[in-house]
Amino acid sequence: AQSVTQLGSHVSVSEGALVLLRCNYSSSVPPYLFWYVQYPNQGLQLLLKYTSAATLVKGINGFEAEFKKSETSFHLTKPSAHMSDAAEYFCAVRAQGGSEKLVFGKGTKLTVNP
Amino acid sequence: DAGVIQSPRHEVTEMGQEVTLRCKPISGHNSLFWYRQTMMRGLELLIYFNNNVPIDDSGMPEDRFSAKMPNASFSTLKIQPSEPRDSAVYFCASSFGGGNTEAFFGQGTRLTVV
Repeated sequence: AQSVTQLGSHVSVSEGALVLLRCNYSSSVPPYLFWYVQYPNQGLQLLLKYTSAATLVKGINGFEAEFKKSETSFHLTKPSAHMSDAAEYFCAVRAQGGSEKLVFGKGTKLTVNP
Repeated sequence: DAGVIQSPRHEVTEMGQEVTLRCKPISGHNSLFWYRQTMMRGLELLIYFNNNVPIDDSGMPEDRFSAKMPNASFSTLKIQPSEPRDSAVYFCASSFGGGNTEAFFGQGTRLTVV
């Protein structure tokens, strides 16, 4: 079964510092990968998605993620954290082959300190 | 489009009562997902439908939970009888197909069973 592992349930950075949130998938065939963000008391919204067109994917709010097949990873980064980035971030996976099933990781809560 | 619409936003009920959560997906979307979010277990996929047909209900906790999708614009998740451990935020999401198409989430229903 498809799954993703997010290392670190909590990450804390200073404003202006690099943000790195980790996501590894378990599949011999590269799946479709997504990053979502959830602000308090809200639903999830898409940050970016891997489409196989490019290994470096740019998303909203200055976030980007790099797909590395050799490491089965899809880590999320942002060069300079902003206070408004404080939220919970979820990596999600969908298997190739026609299934619509979308499975999420446990999430990483990002805190941005002034 | 107004997005995925869930009702109610908040529900407080007594143990043993029946609870029905409702979802209206985005028009034109053919896949619908029900997720449950808790602190302990994160975001769990309960069931998903494709073209109104339940495809995978392996995440449904037990027989007390049931989900229906009578038509393309409406789905329900029912818990009968409810228990305190069912307290969680329940999300509905919809998408158009599989592959790298993202799922769009509703605002969620916060269920409290006392």
